[in-house]
Amino acid sequence: IAGITQAPTSQILAAGRRMTLRCTQDMRHNAMYWYRQDLGLGLRLIHYSNTAGTTGKGEVPDGYSVSRANTDDFPLTLASAVPSQTSVYFCASSAGQTYGYTFGSGTRLTVV
Amino acid sequence: AQSVTQPDIHITVSEGASLELRCNYSYGATPYLFWYVQSPGQGLQLLLKYFSGDTLVQGIKGFEAEFKRSQSSFNLRKPSVHWSDAAEYFCAVGPAGDDKIIFGKGTRLHILP
Repeated sequence: IAGITQAPTSQILAAGRRMTLRCTQDMRHNAMYWYRQDLGLGLRLIHYSNTAGTTGKGEVPDGYSVSRANTDDFPLTLASAVPSQTSVYFCASSAGQTYGYTFGSGTRLTVV
Repeated sequence: AQSVTQPDIHITVSEGASLELRCNYSYGATPYLFWYVQSPGQGLQLLLKYFSGDTLVQGIKGFEAEFKRSQSSFNLRKPSVHWSDAAEYFCAVGPAGDDKIIFGKGTRLHILP
């Protein structure tokens, strides 16, 4: 089934550790996004990529980095996790603005 | 700067009753507008979208939304809700020509049997 795969589904991480959240899509969409979802704050854009080889910063990029080596993969890395990064992380992709976004099922991350 | 407001954090309706979820946006030109639904533990699913043309748009699962430029609104409606509609609903706005969209903070819909 075409869509977005995120891994892991959930993770408990010690503060200060490095963590990469994986995101893979099989729809050949050019644009990909990472959002975090927090209670009462909705979804906030962390980083995005309009096409392979390019990335950009969203609303809350600090503490996160991304890469886009190819069309399908868009990993999100936390270099040194802090408790405020406890959240649910969603990866999304888009074939263009008129199509809207396709979302993955999310990664629930707890930093302790 | 563009923004989107969903005034209601929670809405409770009885099964079979009609539903309207409110969404107001702030943007200088006509934006691209979206409604997404999120079931518990799931990602977001696109319900419907508006870019131009007919201001009443139909979506999946029996939902519709009406764009009202004069009120800067894009309210979501359903004539008769089902228990399976219990979820969180997000309105989103994006400027034409920019793939990035901004989400409202969501409205959680509760259904009474």
